[in-house]
Amino acid sequence: NAGVTQTPKFQVLKTGQSMTLQCAQDMNHEYMSWYRQDPGMGLRLIHYSVGAGITDQGEVPNGYNVSRSTTEDFPLRLLSAAPSQTSVYFCASSLQASGAYEQYFGPGTRLTVT
Amino acid sequence: ILNVEQSPQSLHVQEGDSTNFTCSFPSSNFYALHWYRWETAKSPEALFVMTLNGDEKKKGRISATLNTKEGYSYLYIKGSQPEDSATYLCASGTALIFGKGTTLSVSS
Repeated sequence: NAGVTQTPKFQVLKTGQSMTLQCAQDMNHEYMSWYRQDPGMGLRLIHYSVGAGITDQGEVPNGYNVSRSTTEDFPLRLLSAAPSQTSVYFCASSLQASGAYEQYFGPGTRLTVT
Repeated sequence: ILNVEQSPQSLHVQEGDSTNFTCSFPSSNFYALHWYRWETAKSPEALFVMTLNGDEKKKGRISATLNTKEGYSYLYIKGSQPEDSATYLCASGTALIFGKGTTLSVSS
């Protein structure tokens, strides 16, 4: 199994541009989530999904959209990038949404918005 | 959105010292408490997932305890080694909310 994969690894955007961060898992996990990591802030939950077709907002959802059309994929869209969205983004998945299963993290995407 | 807090924020110990960190979380509607280890330039990796009050888990020199009634968990590292240097995160909730972490530095 490849586990949780994320593309791209690095990205530079100009303010106002849009892009999609890709996340995929091959473990047949129901639950997937997106976090951003900022210095001194730890990991903050952006959006999560408890299964295909179901998504919900986390702690910091503004400026981001998600969809979950398949069990495997959970892309994160930035509609109009802002410098405040400069961060490292981690996708994670777990077997089910109960919170009782460990999360597996992808390698991260480092995004810079100028 | 629930509030998960960790202390201390950072810690520096000498090789061979034992140490512990604290994670506090809301005790109402408790589902599970997670501990992750996060090394620089890597992704977080799960250490423990704990669900029962009084639960105690161990992996090598690292162990954790859980008190769901008062809403806290302790992570213990016995005989710290330089390779234990990392940030240790705890998280709780069905949609996992993380604390800001405790960064441990172990000097040889």
